[in-house]
Amino acid sequence: AQSVTQLGSHVSVSEGALVLLRCNYSSSVPPYLFWYVQYPNQGLQLLLKYTTGATLVKGINGFEAEFKKSETSFHLTKPSAHMSDAAEYFCAVSDYQGAQKLVFGQGTRLTINP
Amino acid sequence: DTAVSQTPKYLVTQMGNDKSIKCEQNLGHDTMYWYKQDSKKFLKIMFSYNNKELIINETVPNRFSPKSPDKAHLNLHINSLELGDSAVYFCASSQDGRAETQYFGPGTRLLVL
Repeated sequence: AQSVTQLGSHVSVSEGALVLLRCNYSSSVPPYLFWYVQYPNQGLQLLLKYTTGATLVKGINGFEAEFKKSETSFHLTKPSAHMSDAAEYFCAVSDYQGAQKLVFGQGTRLTINP
Repeated sequence: DTAVSQTPKYLVTQMGNDKSIKCEQNLGHDTMYWYKQDSKKFLKIMFSYNNKELIINETVPNRFSPKSPDKAHLNLHINSLELGDSAVYFCASSQDGRAETQYFGPGTRLLVL
């Protein structure tokens, strides 16, 4: 079975500071990994994903993530936080059982301090 | 032009009632999903349909019955609502495949009193 662990249910950074949201996964097959963002009272939207190829993946809004197989990690970073980045972030691993099955981590709430 | 839409947005009802949530996508996707997000924001898949056929049915009480009249619609009917059913329910859609991006609706906030 596949699983995802997000370290830190709540991360708080100052505006302009580095954002680092941690994600570790467990997968019996080569993992397909996703980061989704959920703004208040909205549905989720994709930030970025890793399937195959380059291990450093760039996404929307200046976010990027690096797949590290040896560390079973897929941490999300952004060099400089903006107030608009305040949201809930979910890491997910993808399985396929006749249809895609996303297994989500617990989520990390990102707060930006002015 | 909303890609994935859900109705209603809010649903407040009494225990024991039956309610339905409707979902529509205009992205031409083959696969649709229902997720439940609890009060701690934990998100878990309930069902997925591929071309109107039920594919994934996680351990969900049989009071929950999804129905897909066509590829663009996936509805969720809930019988005999219980307090523990209070949550946000999200519909999503994607093309078929393990690497595909899922597109989520805005959610339906269900409160059972």
